[in-house]
Amino acid sequence: EDQVTQSPEALRLQEGESSSLNCSYTVSGLRGLFWYRQDPGKGPEFLFTLYSAGEEKEKERLKATLTKKESFLHITAPKPEDSATYLCAVQAPSGGSYIPTFGRGTSLIVHP
Amino acid sequence: GAVVSQHPSWVICKSGTSVKIECRSLDFQATTMFWYRQFPKQSLMLMATSNEGSKATYEQGVEKDKFLINHASLTLSTLTVTSAHPEDSSFYICSAIEPGQGYYEQYFGPGTRLTVT
Repeated sequence: EDQVTQSPEALRLQEGESSSLNCSYTVSGLRGLFWYRQDPGKGPEFLFTLYSAGEEKEKERLKATLTKKESFLHITAPKPEDSATYLCAVQAPSGGSYIPTFGRGTSLIVHP
Repeated sequence: GAVVSQHPSWVICKSGTSVKIECRSLDFQATTMFWYRQFPKQSLMLMATSNEGSKATYEQGVEKDKFLINHASLTLSTLTVTSAHPEDSSFYICSAIEPGQGYYEQYFGPGTRLTVT
């Protein structure tokens, strides 16, 4: 069975303290790995899609990387407005379906 | 970027009544939409896949007679919670994908908070 595991469950950082969030997966035939940001009481906001190992994508203070087993979301010099839950999802042909499987998310709090 | 809206953003209803939630893709045609529910501090739970012009595909354990899904056009899918009970109170979120992309980059609506009293 496909699994997507995110760690840590929760992370508290001081403003400016860089860190990384992890998304590990066990799927066959990965088609895409997606990162989303979700603020409380709102729907997830699309951030990145990674398609193959070695790929990297950046957006402001965020950088997503992908290996054959995991993805990292690096946050450089975070600001309080980066506080949110970050979700990753994996798309692979499981049982004939390509519907992405979501992890439980990492709740990030950045203190000023 | 692709924009998805939901209406209403929150609703309170009495036990036994039905509630309809709308999901619209505003700037693209969505042949496929997804419906999720999310409990506090938990991840998204896929309820069903909605395809335009055909019956929805429900995930295991989701009562299709209770959660009625209709995808009547390329920009609108609706979720009707029938005979709602307090345990149906949750945050319901829809998402849509642009056709022909091949990769399921989902664009999510803002969510609907349902409270059943």
